[in-house]
Amino acid sequence: NAGVTQTPKFQVLKTGQSMTLQCAQDMNHEYMSWYRQDPGMGLRLIHYSVGAGITDQGEVPNGYNVSRSTTEDFPLRLLSAAPSQTSVYFCASTPDRVYQETQYFGPGTRLLVL
Amino acid sequence: SQELEQSPQSLIVQEGKNLTINCTSSKTLYGLYWYKQKYGEGLIFLMMLQKGGEEKSHEKITAKLDEKKQQSSLHITASQPSHAGIYLCGADKGSGGSNYKLTFGKGTLLTVNP
Repeated sequence: NAGVTQTPKFQVLKTGQSMTLQCAQDMNHEYMSWYRQDPGMGLRLIHYSVGAGITDQGEVPNGYNVSRSTTEDFPLRLLSAAPSQTSVYFCASTPDRVYQETQYFGPGTRLLVL
Repeated sequence: SQELEQSPQSLIVQEGKNLTINCTSSKTLYGLYWYKQKYGEGLIFLMMLQKGGEEKSHEKITAKLDEKKQQSSLHITASQPSHAGIYLCGADKGSGGSNYKLTFGKGTLLTVNP
């Protein structure tokens, strides 16, 4: 298994540009999540999904859209990038909502918005 | 919302020394996860605690959850340069069963000097 994969690894955008951060998992996990990590802020939840076709907002959803058409993929869309969205983005998947199970994290995407 | 306070923010130790990192919550912890992150990489799961008074060990790392389930500690014995990185605690935001939407502390940066 490749686990959780994210593309691209690094991206530079100009203010106002749009882009999609890709996330895929091959473990057939129902639950997937997007976090952003900023210096001194830890990880903060952006959006999450409890299954194909079902998504919900996390702590910092503004400026981001998500969809989940398949179990495997959970893309994160920035419609109009802003400098405040400069961050490292992590996708995670979880096999089961039972709290003994941990989340599996991807390697991250570093985004710089100029 | 549940806030997680980690202390210290950063820690520099000499190789071979013991150290402790703390994670404190304002609310009861129903699932407490410890992760390690190396610079530029994703999060690696270390341990998960759920019961008051629970203690788990893996190699030279021991994690504990206090009886009140509001504080956890991570103890490293005889630290090595390979232990260097950022240590993050994460908690289930709800009353269990929400392991796909964790709240994280801000992290502790550990440097181990040889």
